Amino acid sequence: KQEVTQIPAALSVPEGENLVLNCSFTDSAIYNLQWFRQDPGKGLTSLLLIQSSQREQTSGRLNASLDKSSGRSTLYIAASQPGDSATYLCAVRKSRGRGSTLGRLYFGRGTQLTVWP
Amino acid sequence: DTEVTQTPKHLVMGMTNKKSLKCEQHMGHRAMYWYKQKAKKPPELMFVYSYEKLSINESVPSRFSPECPNSSLLNLHLHALQPEDSALYLCASSGRENTGELFFGEGSRLTVL
Repeated sequence: KQEVTQIPAALSVPEGENLVLNCSFTDSAIYNLQWFRQDPGKGLTSLLLIQSSQREQTSGRLNASLDKSSGRSTLYIAASQPGDSATYLCAVRKSRGRGSTLGRLYFGRGTQLTVWP
Repeated sequence: DTEVTQTPKHLVMGMTNKKSLKCEQHMGHRAMYWYKQKAKKPPELMFVYSYEKLSINESVPSRFSPECPNSSLLNLHLHALQPEDSALYLCASSGRENTGELFFGEGSRLTVL
């Protein structure tokens, strides 16, 4: 069974810092990896999706990398802002089953980020 | 448009009530999901519908009954729930077969008294 671990569980930083969130997974046979953001009591917002054949994806101040062989992904947030405060979740999708069946998605427990002014 | 819409946003019900949660997407996605999320925990998969057919049921108690009336709609019927069923219920969809990207709704906050 795929296990997804996120480190650290919580992070508190001053505004302006560059920071790295880590995600590791035990089974490298993945289809893709997705990073989400969740504000308290809200749904999940998709931030970045990396296919298994890709090494990284970028969106604005966010950059996510994937090293499938070592079972790791990092989410890099540049010039952090108080509005970045949220829980960041990493989710790994298993490789496809037979036919077009998408594999199951496995979530980490998240990193709770606080950026203070 | 990457929107998944869930109603109601908040629901309070007694243990003998029958209620439903609704989810709608107009992205042409053919897979839809129900997740349950307790405070400070990751979402837990409950059901998956693929092409309007139930493809995964994660051994969810029968007091939760999913329904997929058409490719855009997903319902979760609730009956005789327990207080421990109180949680945030999230609907999601995916359909870009070449990416498998998952899109979530804002969730329905359920409180069972």
